[in-house]
Amino acid sequence: GQNIDQPTEMTATEGAIVQINCTYQTSGFNGLFWYQQHAGEAPTFLSYNVLDGLEEKGRFSSFLSRSKGYSYLLLKELQMKDSASYLCAVSGAGSYQLTFGKGTKLSVIP
Amino acid sequence: DVKVTQSSRYLVKRTGEKVFLECVQDMDHENMFWYRQDPGLGLRLIYFSYDVKMKEKGDIPEGYSVSREKKERFSLILESASTNQTSMYLCASRSGLGDEQFFGPGTRLTVL
Repeated sequence: GQNIDQPTEMTATEGAIVQINCTYQTSGFNGLFWYQQHAGEAPTFLSYNVLDGLEEKGRFSSFLSRSKGYSYLLLKELQMKDSASYLCAVSGAGSYQLTFGKGTKLSVIP
Repeated sequence: DVKVTQSSRYLVKRTGEKVFLECVQDMDHENMFWYRQDPGLGLRLIYFSYDVKMKEKGDIPEGYSVSREKKERFSLILESASTNQTSMYLCASRSGLGDEQFFGPGTRLTVL
């Protein structure tokens, strides 16, 4: 089976940097995804990591350590529109399914 | 622009009714998924399909069935709706193992 843990809620200040952590335990591994979901909307893709290291995409970066079963999403220069839930999802080996964490609700305050 | 569409954004049904939720994708993806999303429980997989006429149970298939007669269309069926099936239902599709999963806009179903 697969188990994914991430904090339930976080609060950060506009303009700051925030790091959202995700730990996972899986039987096999074929990549980790981060999605953003605004209230009442569908999740949208942010990043994909399959190898160890940091992937940077504008204000957002994602890091993966496969040996530690750990990932984080780093958001820089926070904007009010970044207030959303952030979902960590893992793809198991040979499986087309994604298993999602319960999501981290980020509130950005002025 | 790639798209996953769902037949309704909001739906209200009565207990015992048979409910059909339709999902269509235009990306020629083999894999399609149905999830429900509830506060505090996150996204939970109900059923998925990796090919036409093929289906696999997810984590919470009880009370649901699915149909995939054409590659682009994946239907979720609630045989006899119950109040505990009130939820947000999200359809998704995906191509290969290293590819992202695209979601539809969701259907908020209320069963009275």
